[in-house]
Amino acid sequence: GQQLNQSPQSMFIQEGEDVSMNCTSSSIFNTWLWYKQDPGEGPVLLIALYKAGELTSNGRLTAQFGITRKDSFLNISASIPSDVGIYFCAGQSLRAGNNRKLIWGLGTSLAVNP
Amino acid sequence: NAGVTQTPKFRVLKTGQSMTLLCAQDMNHEYMYWYRQDPGMGLRLIHYSVGEGTTAKGEVPDGYNVSRLKKQNFLLGLESAAPSQTSVYFCASKPRAGGHQPQHFGDGTRLSIL
Repeated sequence: GQQLNQSPQSMFIQEGEDVSMNCTSSSIFNTWLWYKQDPGEGPVLLIALYKAGELTSNGRLTAQFGITRKDSFLNISASIPSDVGIYFCAGQSLRAGNNRKLIWGLGTSLAVNP
Repeated sequence: NAGVTQTPKFRVLKTGQSMTLLCAQDMNHEYMYWYRQDPGMGLRLIHYSVGEGTTAKGEVPDGYNVSRLKKQNFLLGLESAAPSQTSVYFCASKPRAGGHQPQHFGDGTRLSIL
């Protein structure tokens, strides 16, 4: 099935460092979503992007919807130990018949060294 | 407000056994989804429903059946479990209105087939 290219696959950083990850697609999306998954739990929405060029922040997190509508990035500033987890991007197109299905990246696993 | 609740949280089955996973949401959402999550594969859509009494196949539907007899519940059935169905299963829901609304996830059901 169709998937997004999400990179990097994993990151190991020191506490306090900034983090950047991104997703690219060969298809145009109308919505980009960024989720975080903690061990043993389901994905939780972090940021939702609805317009090309949109830049949205949620605390230390910032995400942007690429101008071409085929990419998005997520930045985390001043990382802390609780940022550990797997971050997923997901895209949605509103083409007829899509029925609100999401296309998912494979995730970026983040480890933070205190 | 419980959100999306999945039962059971853990289950071990023998090959050939059948079982049903239950997803319940109390947010009056129209759309509901079943995903499976496997290492290195990300989230893959099994089946989904756009409303009570309606279901549709996702990316990996083989070996599974679903039913949406009530708006708040979405059941995933395995008629004859196989080891390849060992996975973590996530249910999600979203409202129909607006099209851009993100999916809300349950905490998952961890299923092992021996």
